[in-house]
Amino acid sequence: QQQVKQSPQSLIVQKGGISIINCAYENTAFDYFPWYQQFPGKGPALLIAIRPDVSEKKEGRFTISFNKSAKQFSLHIMDSQPGDSATYFCAAQSGGSYIPTFGRGTSLIVHP
Amino acid sequence: DVKVTQSSRYLVKRTGEKVFLECVQDMDHENMFWYRQDPGLGLRLIYFSYDVKMKEKGDIPEGYSVSREKKERFSLILESASTNQTSMYLCASSWGTGQALMYFGPGTRLTVT
Repeated sequence: QQQVKQSPQSLIVQKGGISIINCAYENTAFDYFPWYQQFPGKGPALLIAIRPDVSEKKEGRFTISFNKSAKQFSLHIMDSQPGDSATYFCAAQSGGSYIPTFGRGTSLIVHP
Repeated sequence: DVKVTQSSRYLVKRTGEKVFLECVQDMDHENMFWYRQDPGLGLRLIYFSYDVKMKEKGDIPEGYSVSREKKERFSLILESASTNQTSMYLCASSWGTGQALMYFGPGTRLTVT
């Protein structure tokens, strides 16, 4: 059972465009939603994270939007750049858990 | 700078060999994890440990075992490697529960022939 569903599996965007990756979850106990970015040959690294008490968090060109009632959250990359080409994982975690639940990842390619 | 290191970046082993993957973290983290990453399947948890000598099975523990004798070191063992264990293996560490930032190593690309 996939507790965090991530889409799309792959995404191709032109330079300067907006990249949007969506995630949906089922467990209402989740209260922390990080996004990880993985470049080829590297391990994933935390990009940005949100808690459910806010509906949006922005860091530079990266924005997380959170819809608690729909149990959905998304990553928006504005003005996408070739250097943003990477695999992106959404995750969800509850307060008492050691382990985040990861989505299956989105491979983003930004064409110059 | 915080760091999770893995003993090998690339490893080629033969079917039936015993394989050791080593992971070391320098952040005094309580929790350590082993994941395997395969295209289209994302990150799948093999085992994790929340304290020295403690271990818990993840989603896909079959064919693997782990060892954590010291806080900073977490080893993944493939008792008898098989071709279906060809994969990218990622080690990670974190502190505490809940909103714990997870730090990943660079990964070991294991090929079993």
